[in-house]
Formats: sequence, C-alpha cells, structure tokens
Amino acid sequence: QKEVEQNSGPLSVPEGAIASLNCTYSDRGSQSFFWYRQYSGKSPELIMFIYSNGDKEDGRFTAQLNKASQYVSLLIRDSQPSDSATYLCAPQSAGNKLTFGGGTRVLVKP
Amino acid sequence: GAGVSQSPRYKVAKRGQDVALRCDPISGHVSLFWYQQALGQGPEFLTYFQNEAQLDKSGLPSDRFFAERPEGSVSTLKIQRTQQEDSAVYLCASSLPSGGSRSTDTQYFGPGTRLTVL
Repeated sequence: QKEVEQNSGPLSVPEGAIASLNCTYSDRGSQSFFWYRQYSGKSPELIMFIYSNGDKEDGRFTAQLNKASQYVSLLIRDSQPSDSATYLCAPQSAGNKLTFGGGTRVLVKP
Repeated sequence: GAGVSQSPRYKVAKRGQDVALRCDPISGHVSLFWYQQALGQGPEFLTYFQNEAQLDKSGLPSDRFFAERPEGSVSTLKIQRTQQEDSAVYLCASSLPSGGSRSTDTQYFGPGTRLTVL
C-alpha cells in the first residue's frame, strides 16, 4: 500500500463545473497537508494547505481534512481550462518532509 | 522577490559519468529539500538540510548520491557513476522553519533539473 493514494485520472470536468479530488494517507503522524498544482513540464506550485479537521476555503479552492479517516480532498469550483494540470497531495510529517501522492490529472473542457 | 533557482536546467550524461546539480534557495530560507520526480509520478523525498546540517538523508537511493550545503545557503546534489535509472527531474525546495506559524512550513520549489542518462 502506498503511503499517499490519489486517483491518477484523468478527471474530466466541463468548464464551470466542480472538480473533486481525493487523497488518502497512511501516516497518522502527519500534521499538515499540502495541495500543489503541477503543469506539464513545470515544477509544483502551492495551491493551499490545511492542518485542522474541517474545511478551508481560498478563492475557488476548498480543502477538506478528516484526520480520523486519514482523508483529505480538494474541490475546485467554477473550473477553468487553465486549471487543467496535475494536482499533488502531500502530507507533511515530522522533520518537515513532504510525501507526495502520484497526482490526479485534471482536464477542464471548454 | 527571487524564487528558488536551479542549474543546470537540463543535463545529459553518459552512463558512468558524475554529475553535480546546484540549488539556490530563497534568501533567508533555512530549510532546503531535494526531491526526485520520475516521469508520470509524484516527487519523492531525497534529503533535507537545516542550515548546513543534513538532518535527513533517508531518501537517497544509494551511496552514489551525495548532497551538501556547506555554508547553509547553496546546495549541491552530486550523483556519481550515473545509471539510466537516475534519469528524472531533480527538484529543490526551500522553506522557513516553523516558528509557530504553519504557513512558514510551506516549501517553495525551484524549476528543477531534468537529468537524462544515456
């Protein structure tokens, strides 16, 4: 079992719809959880982070965390073609290192 | 302000050659991380520095991989006797240490060095 699991996709959503991305993790010691976006051929860029159970909203993005279920998700509202990218889930463990999932590829179709 | 920079951006090596990859972190960032990203996969942790101290090198795949940060700023990842399986993008990230604010644990990534071993 991988430490961080994500559906590889592609997740195809029409423009303007909500994209829902899921991530499960195995390390119960993880404290903070990061979502990065990675365009093809580029390096990861931070979308947002969450460390408390519940929801956290930032613009069109909402992160949800449930530590008991070891589950974190990202919602992208009003999806735009520019949101087409791979989204990486990364729990942060003691020592600050990030453990990345394989990423979910999102395709937003006009 | 300037972000994390890495050089070279692309490196082609013949199998058996040694390579050195450089990372310049964001000014003032104490923590520096190296990750390896194979095609179609997420980044995998290699090693972590806090200032000049290498606190975690558990992700280095073999003793052919060596990293240093002698003055606590610029870091070099060296790969000796490169093999084809070393072909990947090598990402460097930096962050401020947590001072009680979670936001300062955020890692900011450089553009990466794409290494191709022939």
